Amino acid sequence: DQQVKQNSPSLSVQEGRISILNCDYTNSMFDYFLWYKKYPAEGPTFLISISSIKDKNEDGRFTVFLNKSAKHLSLHIVPSQPGDSAVYFCAASPNTDKLIFGTGTRLQVFP
Amino acid sequence: EADIYQTPRYLVIGTGKKITLECSQTMGHDKMYWYQQDPGMELHLIHYSYGVNSTEKGDLSSESTVSRIRTEHFPLTLESARPSHTSQYLCASTRLAGGPNEQFFGPGTRLTVL
Repeated sequence: DQQVKQNSPSLSVQEGRISILNCDYTNSMFDYFLWYKKYPAEGPTFLISISSIKDKNEDGRFTVFLNKSAKHLSLHIVPSQPGDSAVYFCAASPNTDKLIFGTGTRLQVFP
Repeated sequence: EADIYQTPRYLVIGTGKKITLECSQTMGHDKMYWYQQDPGMELHLIHYSYGVNSTEKGDLSSESTVSRIRTEHFPLTLESARPSHTSQYLCASTRLAGGPNEQFFGPGTRLTVL
């Protein structure tokens, strides 16, 4: 049973517009959530995280929102750039030992 | 900047061969991890380590084995490769301290078993 779900396998956005990537989870005991970005033939790169006691965290063009009641988080990228085209993974941390990953969403930013 | 290395980057090998995938990090991190990932799928944890002489099995059963003799080195071995082992293998590390458990990943090894 998948505890972290990314239901949209792909997303296409025009350059300069907002990209919104979504993630749902089932375990209310997760204490941190993280977003990673992955280019082909490379390992994932950490983007941004949020503690379960917060509802928003912002870092430059990237903002993560957490809705605990809905068990939902989203990553907003504003403005989107062609270099943002990659696969984005949502991950949740049930403790300090492990991360549980979603299946990823492929973002394509076109001119 | 994270410094974690994996070799080889790509490996094509025949069934029955023994292989070792190398992973090294220069950050002095205590925790290290091995993940397996197939296209369009999530990363599955197959092994992890808290430090020297510590190894644990992950959530996904794997026929591979690992060792942790030095802090910086966490190799993964398959005694007899099979086509079902074809996948991307990703190594990661992090500090032991609490917090979001931000893991730093290596570039991965793409393994193909014929």
